[in-house]
Formats: sequence, structure tokens, C-alpha cells
Amino acid sequence: ETGVTQTPRHLVMGMTNKKSLKCEQHLGHNAMYWYKQSAKKPLELMFVYNFKEQTENNSVPSRFSPECPNSSHLFLHLHTLQPEDSALYLCASSQGSGTGKFETQYFGPGTRLLVL
Amino acid sequence: DAKTTQPPSMDCAEGRAANLPCNHSTISGNEYVYWYRQIHSQGPQYIIHGLKNNETNEMASLIITEDRKSSTLILPHATLRDTAVYYCIVSMDSNYQLIWGAGTKLIIKP
Repeated sequence: ETGVTQTPRHLVMGMTNKKSLKCEQHLGHNAMYWYKQSAKKPLELMFVYNFKEQTENNSVPSRFSPECPNSSHLFLHLHTLQPEDSALYLCASSQGSGTGKFETQYFGPGTRLLVL
Repeated sequence: DAKTTQPPSMDCAEGRAANLPCNHSTISGNEYVYWYRQIHSQGPQYIIHGLKNNETNEMASLIITEDRKSSTLILPHATLRDTAVYYCIVSMDSNYQLIWGAGTKLIIKP
């Protein structure tokens, strides 16, 4: 248990569906992250939120839409995904100093997404 | 591109020390070395990090060479549950980015 939970753990969706991934952290952190891990590829950073403000968007397609209503919760809204979007989606959190310096990140268990 | 180089796989006998090497020859003076591991299909787990000095915690020890161009993660008494992919990562102090490589797949054998 890292203090970061993700739901659902597994998700199958069609290309026309709309779904959302949820992440919650119980560590009192202020920075939260979405990563994508495709088969046999390194983790790719998607989005960073620091004190509820988005500070990084690594050229992610608009069919992925993040939402951070507060420092404890992070969502990833999905719509009209493609089969190549099938991957493990990981959420992480860190202390969040706002200075941009790297901090230890703690990861959730991930959501295994399959797009048909 | 990953800033670290690791062997793709290693074996270690249960109960022995597992020594995982990492090369980071282009590391800058204020960049940290981080180690994470990922057990199959789970989220990465933080292990340890360091800047210049050797570090030890309840999970592992980190030995960083004096020129900081390489490091070794040591699991002192490996168990079967230590089988995982181990990632050596150099942080970027300018932003939140972690550059993940392919890691080392460590297999602990009975």
C-alpha cells in the first residue's frame, strides 16, 4: 500500500465509449501525475498537476482529458480512444513544493485499459 | 532518451546479495539518482535515491561512485518477492520529469 489508490483496476471500452479513471492519494501531497505504460515501452509522463494547477502536458492527444478538483483527487476522462491507447495508466503523487524540483513520487497500482 | 544504461536482465540466488549496476555518465552535478522497481503489472515502487553519498534504508543500499557516473543498488538478502524490473533513473531538477529506461529484470532463483 503506497497511499495512492486507482479505480477501476481493469477497464475494457469501445472506441466510441466515454469513461473516466480515478486516482486518490491519502498522503497529504500537492502534486499528482498521470503516466502511460505501453507494453515493452518505458513509462511516459502525460500530465502533472501541482496545487491543482496543470503544470505539464506532454503533447497528449485531446481524447485524454485530465481533471484535478482538489489536491487529493485526479481524474483522466477518456473518449473516442484508439486501440493503440491500450496500456497501463498509472497515477502518482509527490509532496509538491511548486518549485519544480524533483520529488519522490509514489505510484498507485494502475488501471489496465483495453480499447476494442 | 533515457540518461541511464542498465543490463536488461540478471539472476540472483535467494538469500544472496543482488547487485544491480547502472551507468549515468552524463549526470549533472545537481541531479539525483533514483531507483524504483515494478513487480509484474503493478505500479512502480520507490526504493531509494541519492545525490553524492552512499545511502541505506530498510530496503536497499545505494552506492554512487565518486565521479557520479555510475551507481549500484544492493539488495542485501534477496528473496523471491524481489523478482521485478528495477529502474535506475536520473532526475531532472528543472521540472518534474523522470526519464524512464527499460530497466533490469531481476530474477531471484530458489
